[in-house]
Formats: sequence, structure tokens, C-alpha cells
Amino acid sequence: QVQLVESGGGVVQPGRSLRLSCAASGFTFSGYGMHWVRQAPGQGLEWVAAVSFDGSSKYFADSVKGRFTISRDNSKNTLSLQMNSLRAEDTAVYYCAKDVYRSPTASLDCWGQGTLVTVSS
Amino acid sequence: SSELTQDPAVSVALGQTVRITCQGDTLSSYYASWYQQKPGQAPVLVIYGKNNRPSGIPDRFSGSSSGNTASLTITGAQAEDEADYYCNSRDSSVYPLVFGGGTKLTVL
Repeated sequence: QVQLVESGGGVVQPGRSLRLSCAASGFTFSGYGMHWVRQAPGQGLEWVAAVSFDGSSKYFADSVKGRFTISRDNSKNTLSLQMNSLRAEDTAVYYCAKDVYRSPTASLDCWGQGTLVTVSS
Repeated sequence: SSELTQDPAVSVALGQTVRITCQGDTLSSYYASWYQQKPGQAPVLVIYGKNNRPSGIPDRFSGSSSGNTASLTITGAQAEDEADYYCNSRDSSVYPLVFGGGTKLTVL
């Protein structure tokens, strides 16, 4: 079955960096767009970033543009999110999600269980 | 960027029909997708595109759209449908996705 497993979350000081990973299995990873979506404690969902099936197109929310980078390794079925210059407002559960299509759309049909990132001194 | 507006809370009697709405300018150009999220769990896609249900989603869930409003209808709500529901759509600009603030559905 389709499975996404995030890792790399933890507690980090403001201004530092963290790298999240998402291991995909059960589907042809190289055939679909992928996303990161986050959810601050007790809050709603916020889309963070997306990448096309082949990694050629990348998109970011204004709130993370210039600080976060999304990448994928289709040979290892892995999605990554490099987060730099972290701020307290980046504290959230970060979900990896699969798109229904090759290029990112608004339809995310499989989600991981999430990894918690806490930015605090 | 555009915004999507949802009612914060909606309630429905067991077995009755409920409509959850999502309003935003971008919805006149793009379809909304709908997600169900139960406490402590990841979101689950329930409707996407014009009115498509992923495999495993009961047919009591349906979607529709008119102008700048998208709707998720649950026909014959069940106790297990009690959850937060989020809409999302493409923004009207180059790409970014935008999510609505979510609707907490209570089944009475």
C-alpha cells in the first residue's frame, strides 16, 4: 500500500537549520508531484512547498520562500525539505503528501503521519 | 495571495444531510479539494476535481461548485464523519496552494 514516512523533526533554536525527509513506498514515486504541508499546534493546514514529478519545477509559500528548499531523489524514493533560518512561527507538524498528478495540483491523495518541528530557544 | 473562507463549525443530526462550504475568488477558476482530519491523524482526501472520490471514500461524500463557492455534501452523516474538514485550491497566481481555515463538523 502507499506509504509516506517523515523523519528529521525535533527541537531547534531560532536561526538554525533542519532537514526533513520523507520515505515513499507502495507507488511509483517518480510519477507524481509531492508536497510539504504543515500544521501549527491547534491550527489549520498550511501548504509549504511542492515539487514536480521530475524535480524540475519547485514552488514555495511566501512564508518560507528564500529559507526553505524542496528536493527529491527518485532513485531513493525520497522527498526532502531543507529548512534554514528557522523561526518560532515555523513550529508545526510537517506532513509529506503525494499529489494525484505528475505536476503539483491541489489534490493530495496520500499523507504521511507527520513529524513535529519545534523552534525554540 | 487569495483566501478561502470556511464556517468554523457546523453540526448535523445523525443520518441527515450537511453541506460544508468554502468561499474564495480562486474557486471561480479552479476546483476545490476537500480533506477530512480526525484528532491526532493526518488529513485524508475525500473529494477532488469536479466531484471525484478517491478509492475507499464512501459515496455519501460529494462535491459541487458554483461561482466562487465550493461545497462538500455529506448525505446521511454518520458518527464517524465527525471531524475537521478543510478545502484547498490553487491560488489565482502562478501556483501556491491555499487552504481554508477548516470546519469542525459535529454529528449529533
